[in-house]
Amino acid sequence: AQSVAQPEDQVNVAEGNPLTVKCTYSVSGNPYLFWYVQYPNRGLQFLLKYITGDNLVKGSYGFEAEFNKSQTSFHLKKPSALVSDSALYFCAVSPLSSGSARQLTFGSGTQLTVLP
Amino acid sequence: NAGVTQTPKFRVLKTGQSMTLLCAQDMNHEYMYWYRQDPGMGLRLIHYSVGEGTTAKGEVPDGYNVSRLKKQNFLLGLESAAPSQTSVYFCASSKSGRNTEAFFGQGTRLTVV
Repeated sequence: AQSVAQPEDQVNVAEGNPLTVKCTYSVSGNPYLFWYVQYPNRGLQFLLKYITGDNLVKGSYGFEAEFNKSQTSFHLKKPSALVSDSALYFCAVSPLSSGSARQLTFGSGTQLTVLP
Repeated sequence: NAGVTQTPKFRVLKTGQSMTLLCAQDMNHEYMYWYRQDPGMGLRLIHYSVGEGTTAKGEVPDGYNVSRLKKQNFLLGLESAAPSQTSVYFCASSKSGRNTEAFFGQGTRLTVV
């Protein structure tokens, strides 16, 4: 069975500092990885995805994520955090063989707070 | 663009009551999904549909039923609500095939008392 772990429930970072939100995964075969963001009282919004190719994936709002196959990780990063980045972030995985959202497994989420 | 629209946004039910949550998408997506979101547990798939007239069970289907009579609509029903079904429900849709990300509605906050 596939699984996603987001080891930090809460991440605090000062505005202007780099941020990292951690994600590790377990899946049979090659993974298909996503990051979504949820602002208060809103649905999830797609940020970026990794399928194959470059290990560094660039997404919306200046976010990027680094895929590391040996460490089975897909950490979300941003060089300079903004207060408006404060939100709940979810990592998700599905088997590449499927590639369909119907087999997505989500992590428990990480609340990011950017302090002014 | 409306994207994925859920109705209602909030609802309070008494134990044993029934209700239907409506999801509508205007992106001509083949696949649609219902998730529930509970604190500390991420999103869990309840049911999904890969096309009009077809539905399938997800991770946590018990106590829910679904129907997809039209491609753009996906209904989630609770026949006899229980307090354990207090949650935030999200509908999502995606294109068929591989490499497709899901688009989510704004959610329905359901409280069963």
